[in-house]
Amino acid sequence: GQQLNQSPQSMFIQEGEDVSMNCTSSSIFNTWLWYKQDPGEGPVLLIALYKAGELTSNGRLTAQFGITRKDSFLNISASIPSDVGIYFCAARGVQGAQKLVFGQGTRLTINP
Amino acid sequence: SAVISQKPSRDICQRGTSLTIQCQVDSQVTMMFWYRQQPGQSLTLIATANQGSEATYESGFVIDKFPISRPNLTFSTLTVSNMSPEDSSIYLCSVRTWTASEAFFGQGTRLTVV
Repeated sequence: GQQLNQSPQSMFIQEGEDVSMNCTSSSIFNTWLWYKQDPGEGPVLLIALYKAGELTSNGRLTAQFGITRKDSFLNISASIPSDVGIYFCAARGVQGAQKLVFGQGTRLTINP
Repeated sequence: SAVISQKPSRDICQRGTSLTIQCQVDSQVTMMFWYRQQPGQSLTLIATANQGSEATYESGFVIDKFPISRPNLTFSTLTVSNMSPEDSSIYLCSVRTWTASEAFFGQGTRLTVV
């Protein structure tokens, strides 16, 4: 089945540092999404990408849809304490267009 | 965006019992989904809730264990039947709306089976 390999699994950084995480797959996808989940909450959509090569920003967050359609990355610049949480990539493939596949998540911890 | 209310937010249940989780949306939505998130893990799709007909289940999930109803465009329930400790997870309702391209999630139901 379709799988997303998300890395790193966890990150421990200092406040103000930049963060980079990525997702790869052996399958081709039409849509890449990045969500953030805070403790006790459901995931919240950060960025949606619909075209290969697309680069999209949302404030300090930037994400790109890989040109091969098999990968995506998320960067966070100048991290702040509220960036703490678990970040998930998700993707929607050519077949079964409604279904989302999720990566394993990246747990971000920030030392003040 | 849609406002999704999930009830209960958490519960502790005895093994062998069943729990029904409700998902109420403040507007009509096109698609409703149920996900499971096991402790420290990612999200796995259980099924797509179809209005007025049987849900579409993903591999590894069956109707007898996870019966789902969706009587209208704003409401769905997921029942976790004959629970065992392995069913301890967060269960999340997700929707797609007519105007938004992507899925919104409820806050989840944290289930502990003892």
